[in-house]
Amino acid sequence: EVQLVETGGGVIQPGGSLRLSCAASGFTVSSNYMNWVRQAPGKGLEWVSVIYSGGSTYYADSVKGRFTVSRDNSKNTLYLQMNSLRAEDTAVYYCARGRSGGFMDVWGKGTTVTVSS
Amino acid sequence: EIVLTQSPGTLSLSPGERATLSCRASQSVSSSYLAWYQQKPGQAPRLLIYGASTRATGIPDRFSGSGSGTDFTLTISRLEPEDFAVYYCQQYGISPSITFGQGTRLEI
Repeated sequence: EVQLVETGGGVIQPGGSLRLSCAASGFTVSSNYMNWVRQAPGKGLEWVSVIYSGGSTYYADSVKGRFTVSRDNSKNTLYLQMNSLRAEDTAVYYCARGRSGGFMDVWGKGTTVTVSS
Repeated sequence: EIVLTQSPGTLSLSPGERATLSCRASQSVSSSYLAWYQQKPGQAPRLLIYGASTRATGIPDRFSGSGSGTDFTLTISRLEPEDFAVYYCQQYGISPSITFGQGTRLEI
């Protein structure tokens, strides 16, 4: 079964760091492009980052320079390193598999990040 | 950045009725790169439509997508109780540029 499971969320103070993980099963992370998408409480979806099969990475302007996406091929796991966290980064963070048409066909259940003092 | 504007913000209908949801882009979007998702409370989004009009695996045929350029539509022909949810459109462009609309809430 194709599945994504996010972990690593929690409550963190402003300025702190957190690393999210997304473990994949049923397919190979490194052969696909993988996205992080977030959803602030009561708000819509916001794309955060993508890593392509070749390793290229891209970020939304709102997180550029603070967040880093990576993957561990041996663990078939995607990561999102989040530094210099702000209150506005509070959200549920989803990882999602991207397809060549730009759509995301497999989503995890999400992990919640709360940035608060 | 391409901005997607969805309308209406909230749509109130009854089971059995037809729902028409709109997604308008600030610039032309390739039809190949326009998708629709459904999200229920406390759940992750679910892919419904990709390539503007192709149903994802397992999606009932009462869901259909259409449109091109800057205007796209998601139609649900006969609403079932489980269809009441929030719907998002999403586009994928060069750079890459990936944006979602703000969502349409479909309520009873």
